[in-house]
Amino acid sequence: GENVEQHPSTLSVQEGDSAVIKCTYSDSASNYFPWYKQELGKGPQLIIDIRSNVGEKKDQRIAVTLNKTAKHFSLHITETQPEDSAVYFCAAPAYQAGTALIFGKGTTLSVSS
Amino acid sequence: GAVVSQHPSRVICKSGTSVKIECRSLDFQATTMFWYRQFPKQSLMLMATSNEGSKATYEQGVEKDKFLINHASLTLSTLTVTSAHPEDSSFYICSAVAGGNTGELFFGEGSRLTVL
Repeated sequence: GENVEQHPSTLSVQEGDSAVIKCTYSDSASNYFPWYKQELGKGPQLIIDIRSNVGEKKDQRIAVTLNKTAKHFSLHITETQPEDSAVYFCAAPAYQAGTALIFGKGTTLSVSS
Repeated sequence: GAVVSQHPSRVICKSGTSVKIECRSLDFQATTMFWYRQFPKQSLMLMATSNEGSKATYEQGVEKDKFLINHASLTLSTLTVTSAHPEDSSFYICSAVAGGNTGELFFGEGSRLTVL
């Protein structure tokens, strides 16, 4: 099955700075890579995803890049705001068949004003 | 995005009792739902895949007789924690795929189980 590694585990930035979180995966057949944001006591919320047929996707202040050769993908948040503070998880398909996801260990992002 | 609802959001029970958690897809039909468990400050761990009209598929190490899953309709899956013990205290989160096999999983708000 797939294995997903995520780093850093914690990230502190000043408001307005950029934040980058990186993940690596093991299964070269994986083709879908979502990022989730989880606030305390709540379920994860999908914020952006990317499929293996593109190398980059952007949605306002959030972007995701994918390097299939190196098997890693990254989340980029620009112009960070205090409300961006949360735990962010990357994920990849757990198995080649089906849609279950396996998650990275998470990154706690703190944005200070 | 698609809406997945869980109930109850919090539940406290005595050791040895059973607790049922419901997961509903509110604005779409879900033939497949997934149940995850999350311990404090840890990641989400996949427990089982719930398939409408058939038996659930459990991940290695998850006791199927302890965590009973029923997916009786295209909008409802239930997880019953039987004979709960304090070590079962956790955040249980369900998810469902919307719009066919696109891979997009939408999660419920989670259910916090505390076993005394």
